[in-house]
Amino acid sequence: ETGVTQSPTHLIKTRGQQVTLRCSSQSGHNTVSWYQQALGQGPQFIFQYYREEENGRGNFPPRFSGLQFPNYSSELNVNALELDDSALYLCASSNNRAVNEKLFFGSGTQLSVL
Amino acid sequence: EDQVTQSPEALRLQEGESSSLNCSYTVSGLRGLFWYRQDPGKGPEFLFTLYSAGEEKEKERLKATLTKKESFLHITAPKPEDSATYLCAVQASGGGADGLTFGKGTHLIIQP
Repeated sequence: ETGVTQSPTHLIKTRGQQVTLRCSSQSGHNTVSWYQQALGQGPQFIFQYYREEENGRGNFPPRFSGLQFPNYSSELNVNALELDDSALYLCASSNNRAVNEKLFFGSGTQLSVL
Repeated sequence: EDQVTQSPEALRLQEGESSSLNCSYTVSGLRGLFWYRQDPGKGPEFLFTLYSAGEEKEKERLKATLTKKESFLHITAPKPEDSATYLCAVQASGGGADGLTFGKGTHLIIQP
């Protein structure tokens, strides 16, 4: 059983640029969610995808968008990067879209915006 | 707005010294309360889900309990490998796919 894998592990961008982060879900999981974790804070919910459609979103602006593919892998896209976007971005998969029972998290992508 | 407050922010214990971590929450209908462990440079790792007041769950040296306003994570005779940040999260019983609302965590250090 493979776990949740994210790429890249680290990324440095400049303000105003665009970035794409990638996630491969755990085998057999059909739901993926993305979280942003700033230094010293708990993870904050960005959105969730189930069967290639967004079915839940936190308090993040539209410049945060995503995709889920037929193989349940996922992308997080962030446009017009701001300094405050610097954070650890976590992907989590599960096999139940309504109840977040036992989310499996990847190790994250550390994004630095200069 | 759902809120989770964890205390203390940091806790340093000697090996074998038992203690408890607190998680206070406000939520518009609780679907579940979750405890996760996070090691440096890694994503959170699931520990427990609690659904209703009075529920308790145990795993090795950890025991989680739930009341209508708070949850406790009791650590009995901890070992250095228990050192980590412990995160508490809630999910509201809304109609849609609501994500988890996390607290800031308690950074636990167990000294040999």
